[in-house]
Amino acid sequence: EVQLLESGGGLVQPGGSLRLSCRASGFSFSSQLMSWVRQAPGRGPEWVSGISPGGEGTSYTDAVKGRFTNSRDNSRDTMYLQMDSLRVEDTAVYYCVIDLSGWRFDPWGQGTLVTVSS
Amino acid sequence: DIQMTQSPSSLFASVGDRVTITCRASQNIGDYLNWYQQRPGGSPRLLMYAASTLLGGVPSRFSGSGSGTEFTLTISSLQPEDFATYFCQHSYRTPGTFGPGTKVDAK
Repeated sequence: EVQLLESGGGLVQPGGSLRLSCRASGFSFSSQLMSWVRQAPGRGPEWVSGISPGGEGTSYTDAVKGRFTNSRDNSRDTMYLQMDSLRVEDTAVYYCVIDLSGWRFDPWGQGTLVTVSS
Repeated sequence: DIQMTQSPSSLFASVGDRVTITCRASQNIGDYLNWYQQRPGGSPRLLMYAASTLLGGVPSRFSGSGSGTEFTLTISSLQPEDFATYFCQHSYRTPGTFGPGTKVDAK
């Protein structure tokens, strides 16, 4: 069974940092394009960042460019999202997803809540 | 970025009802359109891609149609497990933006 387990969320002050992790199991992680998608309370999801199967290629939504860094360790079947200079508007549940083929996200993890507040 | 809108934002329906949700794109996206379901307290789940292709395991009461800028998701006979929020998302180019969602509630 494919499983994606996020961790690392929490409460942080504006300007602070957090590192999210996504532990994958049940599939060939090193062969899959992966993404982070976030969902602010009461809003639709928003793609945040994607990473190629080998980790050499990354992409980001404009709102997080220069502040967030996506990486992966295929030996640990784990993807990471380093989030720096956090803003109130980054508050959301962050999901780890498999990108099946060009913006088709399935499945999704259970999500981890990031709250940025003073 | 391509903007996605959905209507209605919410609706009330009963088990057995036929439900239709509309999604519109700010420009022509062909059939590059996905639909997701998010049950209360759960994570989104991909139901359909290419506007009308169901993922394996998705009940046949779900159907999709449309191309270009206007798309519809139809549930032919609403079941108790279908009360959820539904999101459309385009997959035409980067970034694949989502709509704001349509919440289907019990009447």
